[in-house]
Amino acid sequence: GAVVSQHPSWVICKSGTSVKIECRSLDFQATTMFWYRQFPKQSLMLMATSNEGSKATYEQGVEKDKFLINHASLTLSTLTVTSAHPEDSSFYICSARGPGTPVLENIQYFGAGTRLSVL
Amino acid sequence: GQNIDQPTEMTATEGAIVQINCTYQTSGFNGLFWYQQHAGEAPTFLSYNVLDGLEEKGRFSSFLSRSKGYSYLLLKELQMKDSASYLCAVRDRGDSWGKLQFGAGTQVVVTP
Repeated sequence: GAVVSQHPSWVICKSGTSVKIECRSLDFQATTMFWYRQFPKQSLMLMATSNEGSKATYEQGVEKDKFLINHASLTLSTLTVTSAHPEDSSFYICSARGPGTPVLENIQYFGAGTRLSVL
Repeated sequence: GQNIDQPTEMTATEGAIVQINCTYQTSGFNGLFWYQQHAGEAPTFLSYNVLDGLEEKGRFSSFLSRSKGYSYLLLKELQMKDSASYLCAVRDRGDSWGKLQFGAGTQVVVTP
């Protein structure tokens, strides 16, 4: 099946530092990846769509200078939270569109998520 | 955009059946998805409906009626491990990247 790896799974950092989160498609090429944010007991909120070789498309209200996204290859997208503050503490999840047939391409496969705590 | 509604929480006993309803409004429907999410973990894909009717996968089934903007996820022979949040998500035809809009999720609690 389609496997998406996300690293790190948990990070604690000081306020003002930057944190990079990696999302890799392990056994398939993903031209499109997505980054979500989830607060406790709430649903997934899409932050941005990451396309290989082009600039990410951010959802309304998401600061592109704060949440830097780089999709440099067909298997890797990174999210960097710059100058993190306590209000950025959240669960960040990436996903990749599945490979293969048009039906399978509609399915998003998720990484395990990264829990960010900013002190 | 889409407006997706699903109940907040449902409780059922082990071995029973639970049906989670999802209603949506969208300008151009292009598929409905169900995901399961255990606390602190990422969502896992359960089912995908793009045409009307019932899709069955073992203990889980998903139904879609496009004319009614309605879907349900049926969980049969409930097990304790089925306690999780179940997310309904819709894809809009107008979006070329395959973005999904998620509902708030339904927390299913399975009791002994």
